[in-house]
Amino acid sequence: GENVEQHPSTLSVQEGDSAVIKCTYSDSASNYFPWYKQELGKGPQLIIDIRSNVGEKKDQRIAVTLNKTAKHFSLHITETQPEDSAVYFCAARSVDNTDKLIFGTGTRLQVFP
Amino acid sequence: NAGVTQTPKFRVLKTGQSMTLLCAQDMNHEYMYWYRQDPGMGLRLIHYSVGEGTTAKGEVPDGYNVSRLKKQNFLLGLESAAPSQTSVYFCASSRGSAGNTIYFGEGSWLTVV
Repeated sequence: GENVEQHPSTLSVQEGDSAVIKCTYSDSASNYFPWYKQELGKGPQLIIDIRSNVGEKKDQRIAVTLNKTAKHFSLHITETQPEDSAVYFCAARSVDNTDKLIFGTGTRLQVFP
Repeated sequence: NAGVTQTPKFRVLKTGQSMTLLCAQDMNHEYMYWYRQDPGMGLRLIHYSVGEGTTAKGEVPDGYNVSRLKKQNFLLGLESAAPSQTSVYFCASSRGSAGNTIYFGEGSWLTVV
């Protein structure tokens, strides 16, 4: 089945700097890769996603890149702000007989003013 | 529009006690999920449902049961709680399969002593 690894587990950046979180997946048949943001005391919320027919997708300060050959995808946040501080989860769609999302273990991002 | 609502938000159980977590969604979604979140382990799928009257096992189903008697509700039961079930539980729903956006509730904090 699908396995997703996420790095780093914690990341601290200065406000205005960029942050990059990386994930690898094991199933080459996976075709959907969302990123979720979880603020303290809240449930995760989708911030961006990418499908396997696209190499990059941007939404304002957030971008996701996908390398299908290497089976890894990354979240890029530019011009970070204190409100970007949260836990970020990557996920990959498992396309075996269960069709579910497999989540990474999360990255706690802290943006210092 | 409340989205996904979970009750209770906090609960302390003694080992061996039983309880039910309630989840309701008002988005007319077909799919519903129960996840647990533990430090360093990300979000793991316990059980899910692809429609009213259906349930299926996820990654970590042991010790839990679920029911989906109505489309808008998904119940998670612990028959005999164990300390290993201390966790944060998230209910979620989606319009369709794993390639669709998953909407999460705000979580239920459960402690088993």
